[in-house]
Amino acid sequence: EIVLTQSPGTLSLSPGERATLSCRASQRVVNDYLGWYQQKPGQAPRLLIYGASSRATGIPDRFSGSGSGTDFTLSISRVEPEDFAVYFCQQYGSSPWMFGQGTKVEIK
Amino acid sequence: QVHLVQSGSEVKKPGSSVRLSCKTSGDTFTKHAISWVRQAPGQGLEWMGGIMQIFGTTHSAQKFQDRLTLTADTSTNTIYMELHDLKFEDTAIYYCARDSSYGGNDYWGQGTRVSVSS
Repeated sequence: EIVLTQSPGTLSLSPGERATLSCRASQRVVNDYLGWYQQKPGQAPRLLIYGASSRATGIPDRFSGSGSGTDFTLSISRVEPEDFAVYFCQQYGSSPWMFGQGTKVEIK
Repeated sequence: QVHLVQSGSEVKKPGSSVRLSCKTSGDTFTKHAISWVRQAPGQGLEWMGGIMQIFGTTHSAQKFQDRLTLTADTSTNTIYMELHDLKFEDTAIYYCARDSSYGGNDYWGQGTRVSVSS
């Protein structure tokens, strides 16, 4: 199975700053089938990015995904107050569809 | 509108089984696979398995293969997840989620809380 390692564990930022989150896979992700999710306390996850770089429906363009193979990045160009949450990556190119352990973006 | 409506909270004893349901719209049921993901208290997301209900095909994480049963009822557009031989560490919120045509899980149920306690 593919293990996904996210870094950093916690990212402390002020509103308006840029966020860069990393997701590294232990093996190549087939077809770059890599997604990013946002989760706020008490809520189900929300799909932000699929296929490593495509924004899901209704996701603001300040969110962007990049990368291929084993190294992937989620960027938030200017963090808004509503963006403080936990972010997970997930590969769905080969079973089992593992998640990373998450990165918490908190207010500095 | 896409809705995935899950069944209510459960309290179970170790060694027992739990059966959770996820009711979908007809379009979702016939065109999309459904995944099950759980989240233990204060922990991350854990993918358990998925079912393509119109074919009845399933796949699951190896750690659950001996204890997990995924089924679907075509008459009610409902997917079921049954977890057997429950352990304390199975205490979690269990989500069903629709597999998007483009990748990832684009719609999620509200979650079902399962508590395993003696």
